[in-house]
Amino acid sequence: AQSVTQLDSHVSVSEGTPVLLRCNYSSSYSPSLFWYVQHPNKGLQLLLKYTSAATLVKGINGFEAEFKKSETSFHLTKPSAHMSDAAEYFCVVSFYNTDKLIFGTGTRLQVFP
Amino acid sequence: KAGVTQTPRYLIKTRGQQVTLSCSPISGHRSVSWYQQTPGQGLQFLFEYFSETQRNKGNFPGRFSGRQFSNSRSEMNVSTLELGDSALYLCASSSGREGHNEQFFGPGTRLTVL
Repeated sequence: AQSVTQLDSHVSVSEGTPVLLRCNYSSSYSPSLFWYVQHPNKGLQLLLKYTSAATLVKGINGFEAEFKKSETSFHLTKPSAHMSDAAEYFCVVSFYNTDKLIFGTGTRLQVFP
Repeated sequence: KAGVTQTPRYLIKTRGQQVTLSCSPISGHRSVSWYQQTPGQGLQFLFEYFSETQRNKGNFPGRFSGRQFSNSRSEMNVSTLELGDSALYLCASSSGREGHNEQFFGPGTRLTVL
């Protein structure tokens, strides 16, 4: 069965420092993986997606993620955090070849000035 | 292009009542999915409709139902409301032509059950 585990429920960084949000996945076949962001009182926005093309995926707002099959990981990174990055981030896997999404428990990112 | 819209944005109901939530997808999108978001259970998939047919279903009781109309708009109904149904209900749309489509989410309907 497909699942994702987000290893940190909270991450705090200072503005201008790198961001690392960790995600491990479990899938019985080649998965499609996504990162979504949710700002307070707003809907979910897709940051990036991996669908078996390049293993390094670039997304919006300077975020990127690397698919590592050997480590079953799909960590999200950004070189330099901005105050506007403070939000909840979800690692997501699709259920087999469907549009059903399975969400991780989320990582709340705090950015301090 | 207009985004996914959900109405109403906020609802307050009492136990035992029923409620209907509405979702209008992005123009041209034929797939609509519904998710429930709670602090305790996180984001959970309810069901997906494609071309007026339920294509995928999550693990929710039969009190949760949905439908899709010929214009792709979708409604979700919850009958005999329980306190635990208090949640943010999110709707997402995609083209639905193949798997792993990018899904676009609406702002959600916040349901409070008293």
